[in-house]
Amino acid sequence: EAGVAQSPRYKIIEKRQSVAFWCNPISGHATLYWYQQILGQGPKLLIQFQNNGVVDDSQLPKDRFSAERLKGVDSTLKIQPAKLEDSAVYLCASSLEGHSGNTIYFGEGSWLTVV
Amino acid sequence: GENVEQHPSTLSVQEGDSAVIKCTYSDSASNYFPWYKQELGKRPQLIIDIRSNVGEKKDQRIAVTLNKTAKHFSLHITETQPEDSAVYFCAASPSNSGNEKLTFGTGTRLTIIP
Repeated sequence: EAGVAQSPRYKIIEKRQSVAFWCNPISGHATLYWYQQILGQGPKLLIQFQNNGVVDDSQLPKDRFSAERLKGVDSTLKIQPAKLEDSAVYLCASSLEGHSGNTIYFGEGSWLTVV
Repeated sequence: GENVEQHPSTLSVQEGDSAVIKCTYSDSASNYFPWYKQELGKRPQLIIDIRSNVGEKKDQRIAVTLNKTAKHFSLHITETQPEDSAVYFCAASPSNSGNEKLTFGTGTRLTIIP
């Protein structure tokens, strides 16, 4: 079974620039998550989609971060303008819905460095 | 919202000894508790999970215990091996339909000393 795919794997940008990350979840997974993992910390949920609807975006800094999942499959996470403190790994994850839906599978992550 | 605390932040054990990592959570609605292992530069990978209808689950050298009354759960690794060295994260989640949001602990860096 193919895993969660993310791109790009690495990105270096200057502060105030913009960046976008792409995620393709495991086939058939209705729920998609974006997590932010700052070095030395646990992942923190930014946004959760169920199909193409947002379930939870309470921790998404909406003044600079946006995410969409237009057709209920792939998703993009955008940061504009970036700040130094946005340097982190952005992990996309997916899960099935329903009884067995709790197992959450992560992608390899997109490493962002803001200089 | 949910708050998960994890201890210790670092742990070193001799190869062959046991390692125990403990987590507490705050939200009594949480009923799913997975443990993830993350090697340097890699994705978090699920190693074991437990749901609130059981108190203990074991998979070879790894076991997890859950005390819902006290709101804490623990990871036990026996007969540790060098490849067990990694960062381990606990997490907690409610499992209402469409809302399996994981809240993670801060991680434990486990080092196995050969």
